[in-house]
Amino acid sequence: QLQLQESGPGLVKPSETLSLTCTVSGDSISFSNNYWGWIRQPPGKGLEWIATISYSGSTYYNPSLKSRVTISADTSQNHFSLKLSSVTAADTAIYYCARRKLLGGSPQYNWFDPWGHGTLVTVSS
Amino acid sequence: DIQMTQSPSSLSASVGDRVTITCRASQSISNFLNWYQQKPGKAPKFLIYGTSTLQSGVPSRFSGSGSGTDFTLTISSLQPEDFATYYCQQSYSSPYTFGQGTKLDIK
Repeated sequence: QLQLQESGPGLVKPSETLSLTCTVSGDSISFSNNYWGWIRQPPGKGLEWIATISYSGSTYYNPSLKSRVTISADTSQNHFSLKLSSVTAADTAIYYCARRKLLGGSPQYNWFDPWGHGTLVTVSS
Repeated sequence: DIQMTQSPSSLSASVGDRVTITCRASQSISNFLNWYQQKPGKAPKFLIYGTSTLQSGVPSRFSGSGSGTDFTLTISSLQPEDFATYYCQQSYSSPYTFGQGTKLDIK
């Protein structure tokens, strides 16, 4: 059964870099047609897609965050990571990792499933 | 970016009720629309893709419809475990955007 688990510091100072890792079990992150992503949710608010990395290492970013975000993968550890630089209080959120599943030959049919449990990151001095 | 707007933002209903949640896209997204359910303190759970195709294991009381810009999620007979927040999400184009959520609670 595919499972994802986020890890990383729960508190980051303003202007510093937020770093999170998502460890995947039950499947290989480099298996063909597997895509992996990060989504965040400020407390009490809605969901925002941040970035996705493909099985081959291609990366995709939300333009609203692109200048500050890097997504990467370590296939030897079967995990992928998120770095968000120059954080402010507005980056305080629960950060989820998830698999982005594509439907066969119809890539526009895609969805996030499963999700990790999420990890709360607070930006504060 | 494609903006997704859900209505209502919150909804009170009783067990056994039929409820409908609406999601509107700011431009046509064909039928590339997903639905998720989120319970307090939990990660979102994927329910439906392609407007109307239920994920395996999702009860048949859930259904989705629509195309273009207007979509609905219907729960035919509410069960206690259905009280949650529901989000729509377009998969038509990047960035993949979500609606703001509809909180369904017990009347």
